[in-house]
Amino acid sequence: AAGVIQSPRHLIKEKRETATLKCYPIPRHDTVYWYQQGPGQDPQFLISFYEKMQSDKGSIPDRFSAQQFSDYHSELNMSSLELGDSALYFCASSLGFGSNTGELFFGEGSRLTVL
Amino acid sequence: AQKITQTQPGMFVQEKEAVTLDCTYDTSDPSYGLFWYKQPSSGEMIFLIYQGSYDQQNATEVRYSLNFQKARKSANLVISASQLGDSAMYFCAMGGYSTLTFGKGTMLLVSP
Repeated sequence: AAGVIQSPRHLIKEKRETATLKCYPIPRHDTVYWYQQGPGQDPQFLISFYEKMQSDKGSIPDRFSAQQFSDYHSELNMSSLELGDSALYFCASSLGFGSNTGELFFGEGSRLTVL
Repeated sequence: AQKITQTQPGMFVQEKEAVTLDCTYDTSDPSYGLFWYKQPSSGEMIFLIYQGSYDQQNATEVRYSLNFQKARKSANLVISASQLGDSAMYFCAMGGYSTLTFGKGTMLLVSP
């Protein structure tokens, strides 16, 4: 079965550079979530989209922005990168609000390293 | 606000033994879901099991079962017959009408 696809899997950037992460949800899924997991930490919610509209917002820095496109894929744009942005970034997708149905799955993550 | 508490930073178990990972939660949402994920050292977040707040029966998935006690607000994960490949970080998470909130995780180490 198709899973959530994230790209790139690994990314190395310098401070103050820009990075873009992409997420392709499971087919039929209309909701995308972005999470950030620092070393030794639990995942922290950044932002979510339902039917191409932002549905919820967590602890996403102002330097970050995201959107969901007409084909339901999503991109997380991170600018003016800081050392503290080094983390594993997860995308998850669901059909509607997957929290109530259990159909919520994560991609393999994109590991960002800022030097 | 939602809150998930995992009180066991680490657990040790021998191969073939059963182990219970604790999870308690707090929420004001009348409808919610509880998830368990496994995160091996490679980093991916692997879905294990789900329990809806209105489900009458405890969820089970092969070697995993979720001991759901709604009145106590607990959703413990039981792994039967542990295997070496079960060594990983385990996260309990809860979702209401939107996002998932994660606990701090429990590191499980399975020894031969």
